[in-house]
Amino acid sequence: GAGVSQSPSNKVTEKGKDVELRCDPISGHTALYWYRQRLGQGLEFLIYFQGNSAPDKSGLPSDRFSAERTGESVSTLTIQRTQQEDSAVYLCASSRTSGGGALFGDTQYFGPGTRLTVL
Amino acid sequence: AQTVTQSQPEMSVQEAETVTLSCTYDTSENNYYLFWYKQPPSRQMILVIRQEAYKQQNATENRFSVNFQKAAKSFSLKISDSQLGDTAMYFCAFILNTDKLIFGTGTRLQVFP
Repeated sequence: GAGVSQSPSNKVTEKGKDVELRCDPISGHTALYWYRQRLGQGLEFLIYFQGNSAPDKSGLPSDRFSAERTGESVSTLTIQRTQQEDSAVYLCASSRTSGGGALFGDTQYFGPGTRLTVL
Repeated sequence: AQTVTQSQPEMSVQEAETVTLSCTYDTSENNYYLFWYKQPPSRQMILVIRQEAYKQQNATENRFSVNFQKAAKSFSLKISDSQLGDTAMYFCAFILNTDKLIFGTGTRLQVFP
């Protein structure tokens, strides 16, 4: 597609419920990233995928958070047993490549985000 | 620790004037990239400008330019001929070879007519 898309745009859920957030990266982009943006804050890294390599999960705040990616396309971020502190905007980004060394630094293009509200 | 500091939570400028947003960062690495992203109310993060740390020449992109001072670890953004559409949150960020963008807390810019 022309850009990164995310769904849903907004999600309201009750504390304790599970939620799934979806990201469709730019076609041909091998790297995909998830970030979290709390109200009035900058973005915090959560997880990234590069091709078929094991994902870097070092930013996930707890074991209630998990993410999957199908090949080099769609990714789903799942939050189990949601808590009120999970309320935030969840942003997805993709880039042509990543992987350290001479390949790092490719521009990351962001989707519009999913605003999650946990009541 | 890798950090980015944006010391101006809010800035305002009159249309057609020039404004400079400041950013400092901290890293012990020598090779990295720096970015300014714009986030309008739509939430979409839009790349404004990008700078390779190994390049001494300051990046420019139309009305946007940076003042990159590597020794001082400073990366300010200058917006010339400000337009109403420039109203947004502006985030400074950098990336190491870990591929994770590290963001500042942002500066809210309001352009007045």
